[in-house]
Amino acid sequence: GIQVEQSPPDLILQEGANSTLRCNFSDSVNNLQWFHQNPWGQLINLFYIPSGTKQNGRLSATTVATERYSLLYISSSQTTDSGVYFCAVGGTASKLTFGTGTRLQVTL
Amino acid sequence: NAGVTQTPKFQVLKTGQSMTLQCAQDMNHNSMYWYRQDPGMGLRLIYYSASEGTTDKGEVPNGYNVSRLNKREFSLRLESAAPSQTSVYFCASSEAFGHRGWGNQPQHFGDGTRLSIL
Repeated sequence: GIQVEQSPPDLILQEGANSTLRCNFSDSVNNLQWFHQNPWGQLINLFYIPSGTKQNGRLSATTVATERYSLLYISSSQTTDSGVYFCAVGGTASKLTFGTGTRLQVTL
Repeated sequence: NAGVTQTPKFQVLKTGQSMTLQCAQDMNHNSMYWYRQDPGMGLRLIYYSASEGTTDKGEVPNGYNVSRLNKREFSLRLESAAPSQTSVYFCASSEAFGHRGWGNQPQHFGDGTRLSIL
């Protein structure tokens, strides 16, 4: 099956800093999603982005499918951005495979 | 909008007991999924239903059964709970239709059920 690797595993930022989270995957995909799991355990779908670039407020994501990676950018981080960010990928008629996540802590 | 609703939110069971986790979505989605999340790991798929009336095994189906009761509801049953099934269980849904629909729709998750088995 598809392998998903996320980096870095842990990240500590001061409020206001920018960050880039990376997701590498081992095979071609037609489904890639980024999720944020907040400290209360809720999973929020941030982006559905099998290719190209999308932006939503301070967050943006880019997937380069031909090179098998995706990036999640967080600008001007806030304490509410803390939590775990998951990348999940899947091919046609295959299950969605999750990475092990990047744990982000934003401090004052 | 409720989205995906899971009940209960917390449960403690003794080894060997049975239990059904309930999931309902109000988005008229075709596909529904059950995942488990263990510490330090991403989510792993237990079972999914690509359309009303169909269910299929995911990555870790052993010890579980599912029922797609109707388009809205998808339940997960533990027939004889084991400590290894202690986990957080998430239900999700998407507009994807059929087995070839995985690749074209985002998934939306419920708040999870925290299950402990003693």
